[in-house]
Amino acid sequence: DQQVKQNSPSLSVQEGRISILNCDYTNSMFDYFLWYKKYPAEGPTFLISISSIKDKNEDGRFTVFLNKSAKHLSLHIVPSQPGDSAVYFCAASANTGNQFYFGTGTSLTVIP
Amino acid sequence: SQTIHQWPATLVQPVGSPLSLECTVEGTSNPNLYWYRQAAGRGLQLLFYSVGIGQISSEVPQNLSASRPQDRQFILSSKKLLLSDSGFYLCAWSVLGGGSPLHFGNGTRLTVT
Repeated sequence: DQQVKQNSPSLSVQEGRISILNCDYTNSMFDYFLWYKKYPAEGPTFLISISSIKDKNEDGRFTVFLNKSAKHLSLHIVPSQPGDSAVYFCAASANTGNQFYFGTGTSLTVIP
Repeated sequence: SQTIHQWPATLVQPVGSPLSLECTVEGTSNPNLYWYRQAAGRGLQLLFYSVGIGQISSEVPQNLSASRPQDRQFILSSKKLLLSDSGFYLCAWSVLGGGSPLHFGNGTRLTVT
């Protein structure tokens, strides 16, 4: 059973515009959420995280929004750059646990 | 700073052969350790995690096993590989106790022929 879902397998955005990647989860025990970026044949790289006590966290061009009532989070990249082209995974865990659950990923292409 | 080493980077093995993938972490003590697999076109599937030496939790029953002989060493093994074991295997670590991110190694591309 997929507890973390990314329903858009791919997304194309023009350089300079905003990229919005979405993620939904089903387990109400999740209270820590993360976004990772992955290039082919490499391990995922941690981008940004958010705890359930917040609804927004910002780091440079990357902002993560959390809507607990909807069990939804999103990653905004502004402005998008060609180097942002990669697969993005969202992940979730319960703070009292040791397991991280990942979505299936969204492949972002930023068109120059 | 903490680093994670995973090897080999690529591996081609025949069906029925054994497997041993190794992962070590430097610069931290008593980490949580994880093995994930990414099958072609799919997400990251948690295979095993460990919160301490000799403590292994399995998420998915299969012909793979994991061991943690030392605090910062995590090994993924199989006695007989199947074609379906092909994939991209990732080792990761996190701080014990949760609330901090996973950090991944560079992965091993395993092709079972």
